[in-house]
Order: sequence, then structure tokens, then C-alpha cells
Amino acid sequence: DSGVTQTPKHLITATGQRVTLRCSPRSGDLSVYWYQQSLDQGLQFLIQYYNGEERAKGNILERFSAQQFPDLHSELNLSSLELGDSALYFCASSVEEEQFFGPGTRLTVL
Amino acid sequence: DQQVKQNSPSLSVQEGRISILNCDYTNSMFDYFLWYKKYPAEGPTFLISISSIKDKNEDGRFTVFLNKSAKHLSLHIVPSQPGDSAVYFCAASPQGGSEKLVFGKGTKLTVNP
Repeated sequence: DSGVTQTPKHLITATGQRVTLRCSPRSGDLSVYWYQQSLDQGLQFLIQYYNGEERAKGNILERFSAQQFPDLHSELNLSSLELGDSALYFCASSVEEEQFFGPGTRLTVL
Repeated sequence: DQQVKQNSPSLSVQEGRISILNCDYTNSMFDYFLWYKKYPAEGPTFLISISSIKDKNEDGRFTVFLNKSAKHLSLHIVPSQPGDSAVYFCAASPQGGSEKLVFGKGTKLTVNP
């Protein structure tokens, strides 16, 4: 158990819909990262937050947004969903060099 | 453009033998490299890392070798155990730490008893 929790574990929705994925980092970790893993792909870095502020952006679509709240949990919002958004979404947190990953949310868009 | 490449999607070895997983990168700005292990239905777990100022880092049965001139790193597992069967991801960072990690596609290792 990495100490990073993600909810929900599975999410099935339809095209055009909007969903919110939630992540609680390890106690004391200020950084939260979001990654997307599509079929047969490595993990693609989406965005990083540090202590409530956006720190770095990767290949995140404009339809996607994230935020980190004062209690350091983070939410990833995915809107106008398309079939190609079906993937595993991982959250990770870190305090120094090592990132600790949550178990992921599997999103299926039908 | 894939900056971190793991060209072998899978690898199968016998228990007790050495497992060698390879990773190539193209971005010369990368200076910190990590290996993660992933079991099904779980998130990746950090395994071992190496800074570009070193060419080798060892942790128990796991050793990572870095060849900067060739932009190549490898993970050696000796001796391999059935519990090592997992997907191994190579990752790289340009910032001296683990921020903005760029991951390879992974290599599925199967260790046969």
C-alpha cells in the first residue's frame, strides 16, 4: 500500500459526459501528479500540483482540468468525454525524489 | 516522439537466472532515471533510481546501469524470482528529481519456476 488513494476504482460513462477523479496523497506529500495510461502505452504525464498551485503541465487536453485543494487532495476533471479517453488514470504524490502511485481509476467511455 | 523507449514488450526467464531489462532515451537533458514495477490492478511501485553522475546503483538483487554516451540504461535482477513477474517501466526526468517523469511503454517480465 503506497498510501495514495484514488476513487473511484472503476468508472463507466458515455461519450460527451463529464467525470471527476479524486486522489488523496500520502500524508505530508505536497506534490500531486496525474498520469494517463492508455492501452499499450506507457504512463503519460498530465499535470502536477504542488501545495495547491499548478507546477508543471504535460500532454493534458484542454477538456481536462485539475486542481489541488487546501487539504492537498486533488481532483482531475474530464469533460466532453470521447472513446479515446478510456484509460487508466493514476495519481502519484511525492515529497522528494520518489513518486508513490495510487492504484488508479479505470475509466471506460462507451 | 517517444523520448524513453523500452523496445522489448516482454521477457521470459527461468527462476534463479538473471533478468536484464533495457531502456533507451533520446533526450540528453534527462539526468535522473527510475525503474518502476507494476502488478496488475495496482499502481506502479518505485524500484530503484540512478542519477546521471553515477553509472551504477545497486539495491539487493536489483542493479541499474547507466551508459550516458549510449543513452542507455538497464535493470539487472539477480537471481530472478517468480514474484518478480510484473511490468517494468523505465522513467526519466530532466530536472534532477522525479518531477515530470517521462515513462517508457514497459516490459512485461515473466519468471518461470
